Formats: sequence, C-alpha cells, structure tokens
Amino acid sequence: NAGVTQTPKFRVLKTGQSMTLLCAQDMNHEYMYWYRQDPGMGLRLIHYSVGEGTTAKGEVPDGYNVSRLKKQNFLLGLESAAPSQTSVYFCASSYPDMSERFFGPGTRLTVL
Amino acid sequence: QQQVKQSPQSLIVQKGGISIINCAYENTAFDYFPWYQQFPGKGPALLIAIRPDVSEKKEGRFTISFNKSAKQFSLHIMDSQPGDSATYFCAARVNPTDKLIFGTGTRLQVFP
Repeated sequence: NAGVTQTPKFRVLKTGQSMTLLCAQDMNHEYMYWYRQDPGMGLRLIHYSVGEGTTAKGEVPDGYNVSRLKKQNFLLGLESAAPSQTSVYFCASSYPDMSERFFGPGTRLTVL
Repeated sequence: QQQVKQSPQSLIVQKGGISIINCAYENTAFDYFPWYQQFPGKGPALLIAIRPDVSEKKEGRFTISFNKSAKQFSLHIMDSQPGDSATYFCAARVNPTDKLIFGTGTRLQVFP
C-alpha cells in the first residue's frame, strides 16, 4: 500500500497563476483533508471531505477550492496564487469517527 | 475557545535526557488528545494519544500525562535519542465532531 500520496512534491508559481494539487489514498478512507503548515502556525485545516462528492470549509479556506469526484482522490486548487499561499501543503485521510489522520509527504509551494 | 497552546517552540536535549513538551487548552468539549511526530521532509504521523478519562498513557519511552482540572497535557520522552529529533504537534479533537485542532509544534533536537 502506498498510503497517501501527493503530487507534485515541489512547485514554484508566479502571483496570479493557478494550479491543482492532487492527493490520492489507497486505504479506502471516507474522510480526506487538506492542511497547510507554516512556521509557528502549526497545521491549519483548509478544506475537508467526508465522502465522495462532498466538501466543506476548514479554518482557512479563502483562496482555495477543492473537489472529491472519486473516493480515493482529493484535489486542492488555487485559482489565482498569492505570495501568502507560500506554504507546505499536506493531504490526510482517515476513517469516519477515527481521529488518526494519515498524512501524505507534503507539497512545498512557493508563490513569487 | 478552540485553541491548543503548545510550548516550547524549540527544545534541545542531550542524548539520554528527558524531553518534555507541554500543551494547554480551554475548550472543555475536547475529548481526545493525540500527539503527532514529524521528521524533516515527511508528513506528521500519530505517535501516541490519550482520552481525558485517563491521567497517563505510556508507550515505550513516550508518555502522555493528562491533567483534566488544569486543562493541560504533556509529552515526556525518556532516554531521548538523536533519532527522536523531529517536530512534535499536540492536538485536540472537538467533541462531537471529527475536527482536530493542532498546536503550533515543538522542534526537538537531541544531541549525542
């Protein structure tokens, strides 16, 4: 099992460009999450999904959109990237009502 | 208040010493308190967790101490090893949701 995988691993964008981060999990988890990690800020929830076709906002959703068309995939989109979105992005998944999050290896995004 | 305050921000310990990381909270609706360990370039992974009906949980060299009345919990790493060098996050789950609130992280460095 690969667990949770994320693509790409690194990306540099210019302000105003768009991109999509892909997360895939092979553990048949219902729940999936997108977090961002910034120095001194810990892990902050951007958006999450409790099942295929459902999404919900987390703590810091502005500037991001998500889609969960397939149970195993969760996409995070940036429509118009801003320097404030420079961060490390982590995808995670879990079973329902189970608090253990299984995290991917992260995507380091730099917006110039 | 849905916040978990973690300290210290960084910690340097000599090999064989005890590492102690503290977290405090105000929200009494928290019902599950996990600790995550993150190595450089990797995603966080669940290390150990405790529920508020237990005052202590030990797994190998790692112990969580929980003080419900003080709304504090801490991670103790006994006989710290260089391989324990990582960033540690405490977290708390908001009952009855699946939402996890993370602390800001502690970077632990264990020197030989």
